[in-house]
Amino acid sequence: QVQLQESGPGLVKPSQTLSLTCTVSGGSISNDDYYWTWIRQVPEKGREFIGYIYHTGNTYYNPSLKSRVTISVDTSKNKFSLKVTSVIAADTALYSCARGGSSGNYYYMDLWGKGTAVIVSS
Amino acid sequence: DIQMTQSPSSLSASVGDRVTITCRASEIVKTHLNWYQEKAGEAPKLLVFAASNLQRGVPSRFSGSASATEFTLTISSLQPEDFATYSCQQSYKDPPTFGQGTKVEVK
Repeated sequence: QVQLQESGPGLVKPSQTLSLTCTVSGGSISNDDYYWTWIRQVPEKGREFIGYIYHTGNTYYNPSLKSRVTISVDTSKNKFSLKVTSVIAADTALYSCARGGSSGNYYYMDLWGKGTAVIVSS
Repeated sequence: DIQMTQSPSSLSASVGDRVTITCRASEIVKTHLNWYQEKAGEAPKLLVFAASNLQRGVPSRFSGSASATEFTLTISSLQPEDFATYSCQQSYKDPPTFGQGTKVEVK
């Protein structure tokens, strides 16, 4: 079955760039039925939607993070990636990738990775 | 952004209990409301989409309903594997936003 797995450094220094990858296994990232998302959860707070990408490269970013975030896709490797520049302590969170799907015009995340913890600290 | 407010933030229940969790949206989201189950160390699981549609494979003891801007997730008879955190999420308007979660604990 399809699985998603996040990977990347667990510790990033302030002002540096956070880079994470989500590897999709058991299915193709180029499937037109899905889009690919990044979501984070700051400790003791709700989840925050970061953005999504289609295999075509079309993206959407949360305006709250748009100036610092880039999501890209590598269809040849069945992976998509997240970069957050100029990180600060408030970017410390559990970062998760998820597959977005739809039923008609109803959208949801129907498959998630377990998430990877990232700490921003010097 | 649309604010999603869940209540209660936690509850204690026993196996066999009927459990109800509420999610309120700060503005109209129609029925663009999803529910997820989260367990520590595991990937979140989609339970309900479009307010009342059960995701494939989700037991029928779970159900969702909607009334204006208030949404409810009900577990008709709590099972041992249902102790977890439940979160709502609206997909009506970008960016998608989540509730803060409701933790269902053992009484």
